[in-house]
Amino acid sequence: AQSVTQPDIHITVSEGASLELRCNYSYGATPYLFWYVQSPGQGLQLLLKYFSGDTLVQGIKGFEAEFKRSQSSFNLRKPSVHWSDAAEYFCAVGPTNAGKSTFGDGTTLTVKP
Amino acid sequence: EAQVTQNPRYLITVTGKKLTVTCSQNMNHEYMSWYRQDPGLGLRQIYYSMNVEVTDKGDVPEGYKVSRKEKRNFPLILESPSPNQTSLYFCASSPRGQGVNQPQHFGDGTRLSIL
Repeated sequence: AQSVTQPDIHITVSEGASLELRCNYSYGATPYLFWYVQSPGQGLQLLLKYFSGDTLVQGIKGFEAEFKRSQSSFNLRKPSVHWSDAAEYFCAVGPTNAGKSTFGDGTTLTVKP
Repeated sequence: EAQVTQNPRYLITVTGKKLTVTCSQNMNHEYMSWYRQDPGLGLRQIYYSMNVEVTDKGDVPEGYKVSRKEKRNFPLILESPSPNQTSLYFCASSPRGQGVNQPQHFGDGTRLSIL
């Protein structure tokens, strides 16, 4: 069975500091991996995706993520956080070819001025 | 504008009173899915559909039904709602490109309260 773990429930960083949100996955084949962001009262917006190829993927809003098969990880990074990045972030596996889609429990990001 | 539209956005109802949450997408996507979001539990998949007339259970299907009679619509039906179905619900859709399900587009959510 596929699963996604986001070890950090809540992270606080200062504006301008770097950010790394952790994601570990379990899946039997090459996973389709995604990071989504949810602002309060909103739906989810895609930040970036990994299907295959280059293991460092670039997304919107200056975010990037690195796929590490040996560590079963897909961590999200940003070199300099802005106050508008405060939101909840979700890592997800799938939908797979069978249709299943699994999300992590989410990490809430707070940005200090 | 490409979008996934859910209705209603908010609903307060009582135990046992059948309700339907509609979901419609205008992007001709093959794949559609329903999720519920509860604090600390992320999004959990309720049902999904790979195409018209093809539906399957997700991780938390108990107490829910779906149908996919047209490509654009994927309603979620609670035939006898109970308080433990109080939650925030999201509908999502995605195209299938090269045999792979692409990133999902999400609706704005439906907040259901079952008293």
